[in-house]
Amino acid sequence: GAVVSQHPSRVICKSGTSVKIECRSLDFQATTMFWYRQFPKKSLMLMATSNEGSKATYEQGVEKDKFLINHASLTLSTLTVTSAHPEDSSFYICSAREALSYEQYFGPGTRLTVT
Amino acid sequence: RKEVEQDPGPFNVPEGATVAFNCTYSNSASQSFFWYRQDCRKEPKLLMSVYSSGNEDGRFTAQLNRASQYISLLIRDSKLSDSATYLCVVNTGTALIFGKGTTLSVSS
Repeated sequence: GAVVSQHPSRVICKSGTSVKIECRSLDFQATTMFWYRQFPKKSLMLMATSNEGSKATYEQGVEKDKFLINHASLTLSTLTVTSAHPEDSSFYICSAREALSYEQYFGPGTRLTVT
Repeated sequence: RKEVEQDPGPFNVPEGATVAFNCTYSNSASQSFFWYRQDCRKEPKLLMSVYSSGNEDGRFTAQLNRASQYISLLIRDSKLSDSATYLCVVNTGTALIFGKGTTLSVSS
């Protein structure tokens, strides 16, 4: 099956700093990538959808200036959490989808802890 | 009403038991339906798609009732390795909407 990687898998940062998370599709071209956030014992919540070469579409309640998404190539999308605060601590998961396909392939997730 | 609702459980069953999970969704225009499995601190993995005609894969059977907007997952002969959280997922055409998940714990 298709493989999606995320880096880093775990990151601890201080309040006020910015953190970049990378999502890569390793063996297919991802025309669309999705970023989710999952708090403990909660469901995955879609944060934003990004199509290669265009601006991301953010879900209601997600601040686009705080969660910067770049999808510059068909194999890479990045999520930057700017000026992170402890309440941003969460499990961030990306997924990727090929053109004309409904199936999403998930990355292994990044656990962010902001101290 | 939440878009995708599941009984969170936990369901605690012995090995060999049969267990059923239910899910309801609110968007009648939803296009496709899935069950995902998520292990603790891991990403969700696709378990199976769900069709109105039913879908069986070994010990797992999934069923969709579009009229009732109801999805089910049946696990027969439960194994210890089935312990996980099972997520009901609905594709609205533009996004996957996840339920909160139902936790299953299978004990020996």
